[in-house]
Amino acid sequence: QKEVEQNSGPLSVPEGAIASLNCTYSDRGSQSFFWYRQYSGKSPELIMSIYSNGDKEDGRFTAQLNKASQYVSLLIRDSQPSDSATYLCAVNASPGTASKLTFGTGTRLQVTL
Amino acid sequence: ETGVTQSPTHLIKTRGQQVTLRCSSQSGHNTVSWYQQALGQGPQFIFQYYREEENGRGNFPPRFSGLQFPNYSSELNVNALELDDSALYLCASSRLRAKSPDTQYFGPGTRLTVL
Repeated sequence: QKEVEQNSGPLSVPEGAIASLNCTYSDRGSQSFFWYRQYSGKSPELIMSIYSNGDKEDGRFTAQLNKASQYVSLLIRDSQPSDSATYLCAVNASPGTASKLTFGTGTRLQVTL
Repeated sequence: ETGVTQSPTHLIKTRGQQVTLRCSSQSGHNTVSWYQQALGQGPQFIFQYYREEENGRGNFPPRFSGLQFPNYSSELNVNALELDDSALYLCASSRLRAKSPDTQYFGPGTRLTVL
């Protein structure tokens, strides 16, 4: 079982729609969760971080965390063509010590006109 | 722009050679982590440096080694290059504090091709 799992996609949504990206993780001790956006040929860019159960909103982005279900998601409202990228879910099991990030393989999002 | 810089941008080497990649961390950050990202995969943790010492290591062989300098910049060295070492090498900068979330910001990466 992979430590962090994401559907590789591509996830295709029309412009203006809501894109829903999902991620599950295996380590119940995980405490910090991150979503990164990566354009082709570029490095990952931090979109959202979330540490507590529930929702966290930042502009068009909402991260949702459910530790009991070991599930984290990212919603993108009013999707734009510029949102087309690969979205990486990352989990940190031990913040403050040897805090490695474990990544999923990413979900490719395509926003169509 | 994260303020994290890496050099060089691209590099081509042949099997068996050695390579050194460099990273300058964001101002105010004391920790540098290195990741390897193969095509179509998520980044894989290589190691982390904090206060000039290795502070955690992923599943990479000893030919992957590193350094951190007093100004918190860092180097990644890879000896005896293999074809599978071809990847995007990412440096991430953060401010490590006990019991606090460690948000890591990535540099632009170095694309290494081994022929």
